Amino acid sequence: NAGVTQTPKFRILKIGQSMTLQCTQDMNHNYMYWYRQDPGMGLKLIYYSVGAGITDKGEVPNGYNVSRSTTEDFPLRLELAAPSQTSVYFCASSPREYRGNTIYFGEGSWLTVV
Amino acid sequence: KNQVEQSPQSLIILEGKNCTLQCNYTVSPFSNLRWYKQDTGRGPVSLTIMTFSENTKSNGRYTATLDADTKQSSLHITASQLSDSASYICVVRGLPVGASKLTFGTGTRLQVTL
Repeated sequence: NAGVTQTPKFRILKIGQSMTLQCTQDMNHNYMYWYRQDPGMGLKLIYYSVGAGITDKGEVPNGYNVSRSTTEDFPLRLELAAPSQTSVYFCASSPREYRGNTIYFGEGSWLTVV
Repeated sequence: KNQVEQSPQSLIILEGKNCTLQCNYTVSPFSNLRWYKQDTGRGPVSLTIMTFSENTKSNGRYTATLDADTKQSSLHITASQLSDSASYICVVRGLPVGASKLTFGTGTRLQVTL
């Protein structure tokens, strides 16, 4: 009953460091997403993928990269971390881009850049 | 610009009481509206999804209403429980259907007390 699994749960980065947030889902969903949630703000879409090998930018992609080599995994790469990337990151998935489909979210990854 | 506004920003009620959360949106054209519950430190979990043709949808003690003409939705919680303490997020999907067409509200933080 895993659903969407994100790691790590918490991480502190120094300015300029790089890291990868891991995300995997076991529901065989085609669509996967990365969002960030800042205090007092609605979730913002960073990147999304409609299937293995296909990714596209969302609303706030700068400073991030993604890849989708398998259906299950959708890692988010932060290059040259900046304080503005301090946020809570959520990975999510859905069966397909159908208007009525539920989007399933992971538990979140808390990232602090100092 | 597509926007989703929720009110109140926060709310404190006694256990057993009812409450209603509001969501106003400007997303157009409209596809569907979702309510999510987000416990502190967790990812959002779907409560209801409503299309433009649906006026009411229930999920246990949660009842969502939608008025697509006035672009308003409400989430009514009946006989509140301590476990209802969470943030409730209104999410509106626009058309054409696409990953970038979800607009998230900032949420209403509900606290249920004894």
